[in-house]
Parts: sequence; structure tokens; C-alpha cells
Amino acid sequence: NAGVTQTPKFRVLKTGQSMTLLCAQDMNHEYMYWYRQDPGMGLRLIHYSVGEGTTAKGEVPDGYNVSRLKKQNFLLGLESAAPSQTSVYFCASTPRGRRGDTQYFGPGTRLTVL
Amino acid sequence: DAKTTQPPSMDCAEGRAANLPCNHSTISGNEYVYWYRQIHSQGPQYIIHGLKNNETNEMASLIITEDRKSSTLILPHATLRDTAVYYCIINNYGQNFVFGPGTRLSVLP
Repeated sequence: NAGVTQTPKFRVLKTGQSMTLLCAQDMNHEYMYWYRQDPGMGLRLIHYSVGEGTTAKGEVPDGYNVSRLKKQNFLLGLESAAPSQTSVYFCASTPRGRRGDTQYFGPGTRLTVL
Repeated sequence: DAKTTQPPSMDCAEGRAANLPCNHSTISGNEYVYWYRQIHSQGPQYIIHGLKNNETNEMASLIITEDRKSSTLILPHATLRDTAVYYCIINNYGQNFVFGPGTRLSVLP
């Protein structure tokens, strides 16, 4: 199993450009998450999904959109990138959100917005 | 989810046990204690989790006090590769984890 993978690993955008980050998992997990991590900070939840076709807002959703068209993929979109969105983005997944479930994280995408 | 308090940093000599404390005095009865670590800027790595009983796996041991208001993660023989930020997280269903600043563990040669 590859676990949780993220594409791309690095990206540089200009202010106002758009892009999509792809997260894929091959563990047949129901729940998937997008976090961001700013320098010296812990992770903050952006959006999450409890199953194919569903999405919900997390702690810091503004400026981002997500889609979960396939169970194994969770896409994070930036429609008009801003310098404040410079961060490292992590995707994670959980089997079913049952008590005691564990989250598995991807390697991250480092995004710089100029 | 209950809030956690961890020391911002700790040092440990290579080969010795690293004991990382976490206070979670507002934990409720059905919440689990999870430990993750993050090496450099890699994705957080799961270490261990538990509810009431002490737990051990190939990476670490988790000791939870009887009143469940605090816990300790033990790395029995720390190596340089264990240098990382360690996060203690209280959570119910493995969802929407709240990551605080964690403890920066430095393993010294």
C-alpha cells in the first residue's frame, strides 16, 4: 500500500492564480481531511469529508474549496491564491471515524504564493 | 475535545529513555489519548493511542494515569532519528484532530 499520497510536492503561485492539490489514499478509508501548517505552528483543519460526495468545513475554510468525487481522492482547490495561503498542506484519512480510529497523513505539499 | 498542555521542548541523551508528559485534565470518559510526531516538515506520523490502559507497541509505550488527567509517552531507547516535534491529542473518533504546538524533543549524541 502506498498509503496517503499528495500531488504536487512543491508549487509556487503568483497572487490570483488558481490550483488544485490532489490527495489519494489506497486504504479504502471513508474519511479524508485537509490541514495546513504555518511555520512554527500546529496543524489546522481546512475541510474534511466523511464519504464520497460529501464535504464539510473545518477551522479555516475561507479561500479554499474541496471535492470528493471518488472515495479514494480528495481535492483541495485555491481559486484565487493569496500570500496568506503560503503554507504546507497535509492530507489525512481515517477508516470510518469510529472511536479509537487513527489518522494517516500524507507527506505534504509546500505551497508558496508570491 | 479536551485541551492538552505539553512542555515546549525537551532534551534526551541518545540511548536513554525519553519521557514526554502531557496534561489533559478536562478529558472526558470516552476520549482517547493519541500521540503523533513530526520530523522536520514531514507529515505527522502516528505513534500510539490509548483509552484507559497502558499501551505498548514497537515504537513506544503510553502510560495513562488512573484519573486519566495526564499521560506520558515513553521512547525506551531514543536515537538521533527520534528528534522531532511530538503532539499529544485528545480525540473521540479519530476525526478533526486538533494539533497544538507540541513538544520539540532533541536527542543529543
